[in-house]
Amino acid sequence: NAGVTQTPKFRVLKTGQSMTLLCAQDMNHEYMYWYRQDPGMGLRLIHYSVGEGTTAKGEVPDGYNVSRLKKQNFLLGLESAAPSQTSVYFCASRGASRTEAFFGQGTRLTVV
Amino acid sequence: SQQGEEDPQALSIQEGENATMNCSYKTSINNLQWYRQNSGRGLVHLILIRSNEREKHSGRLRVTLDTSKKSSSLLITASRAADTASYFCGSSGAGSYQLTFGKGTKLSVIP
Repeated sequence: NAGVTQTPKFRVLKTGQSMTLLCAQDMNHEYMYWYRQDPGMGLRLIHYSVGEGTTAKGEVPDGYNVSRLKKQNFLLGLESAAPSQTSVYFCASRGASRTEAFFGQGTRLTVV
Repeated sequence: SQQGEEDPQALSIQEGENATMNCSYKTSINNLQWYRQNSGRGLVHLILIRSNEREKHSGRLRVTLDTSKKSSSLLITASRAADTASYFCGSSGAGSYQLTFGKGTKLSVIP
């Protein structure tokens, strides 16, 4: 039982490049979330999804897009990366009862 | 803006002492959850307290919730060096599917 898996674990991008981060969960959870974590800022919610085919904006959505074409996958896209998007990104999922969330191991992204 | 805010930002104690950290939130909640993060890792769920509960225990953890003050506290008793980590409170507003966190409390337990 893998839980929540994030791909890739590390990535270095040049300013203006695009990339997609993949989050996969095998717990049949309804809700999925993308966060970014910066020093001194805690976790900030970027986007979230309450089910297949649905997405919604969180606290800091600008510069990111998401898609949830399959229930088990939640993709986070950066269309034109900026140095301000250098961060550690975490994905999480939880069930319809909205109790505990399960987190992935994180993706460390550096934009140069 | 972030729903929850933890206090203090950093806490340093000796092994065997108790550690108390607090969380304040802004809107009515369904439940409040506490998580732990070891350096560089994802968050791990510790304990959940529902809006109609006032206190909950799990092993060395004790959580309280005061909905009138929109605050919660996490007490770790008889701390160990292995408890060194950052602790976050997470909450969902009533009727909301979002799960938001504060900036966390960084706990250091000195052997």
